[in-house]
Amino acid sequence: QSALTQPASVSGSPGQSITISCTGSSSDVGSYNLVSWYQQRPGTAPTLMIYEDTKRPSGISNRFSGSKSGNTASLTISGLQAEDEGDYYCCSYAGSSTWVFGGGTQLTVL
Amino acid sequence: QVQLVQSGAEVKKTGASVKVSCKASGYTFTGYWMHWVRQAPGQGLEWMGWINPNSGGTNYAQKFQGGVTMTRDTSISTAYMELSKLRSDDTAVYYCATSRSVGYSFDIWGQGTMITVSS
Repeated sequence: QSALTQPASVSGSPGQSITISCTGSSSDVGSYNLVSWYQQRPGTAPTLMIYEDTKRPSGISNRFSGSKSGNTASLTISGLQAEDEGDYYCCSYAGSSTWVFGGGTQLTVL
Repeated sequence: QVQLVQSGAEVKKTGASVKVSCKASGYTFTGYWMHWVRQAPGQGLEWMGWINPNSGGTNYAQKFQGGVTMTRDTSISTAYMELSKLRSDDTAVYYCATSRSVGYSFDIWGQGTMITVSS
């Protein structure tokens, strides 16, 4: 199982929108509508932001949205806020009851 | 409330074993698979495997097969992850996580347990 590919870092100014990509393969991202996204702030456990490609858990701001095309999933954060800073990870179900994470993307709010 | 509480940080010697616990509360422990995820210092998240607390069945990522053992004690709603033959590159924070209401994602996480392996 190879890790999903994410950009190492992205940045944006407050109020702007940013998108983080997550590229897998036809064995994981492309085969299942089961990509999830996690936010992790320093020293804390990850928090689920998006599941099943596009769904938001209760309590997550609608500024966060997920999409997918082929083997690439994306997380978009609109109306960027300082509190959005942190690391973001994608994760996909990869079949045979296994999962795979992306390498992570560090988001900086300028 | 729903929570997972993990055991405390440990320092181990190379070649030793370590067992991390994860106590669940606020939900039916046997109803949801428990996953383990690790994060080396400054690195990303890595899925290690899961245990079905109801049956005891497990599935490990290929990388960890032969080196990790996941067990559970349903009487105390606790899952365990044991890592053997520790190496320095096993130094990481280990998290337990479960999918209580979101199917194939992880909506509840433990606070993490730091395992440091040194010679």
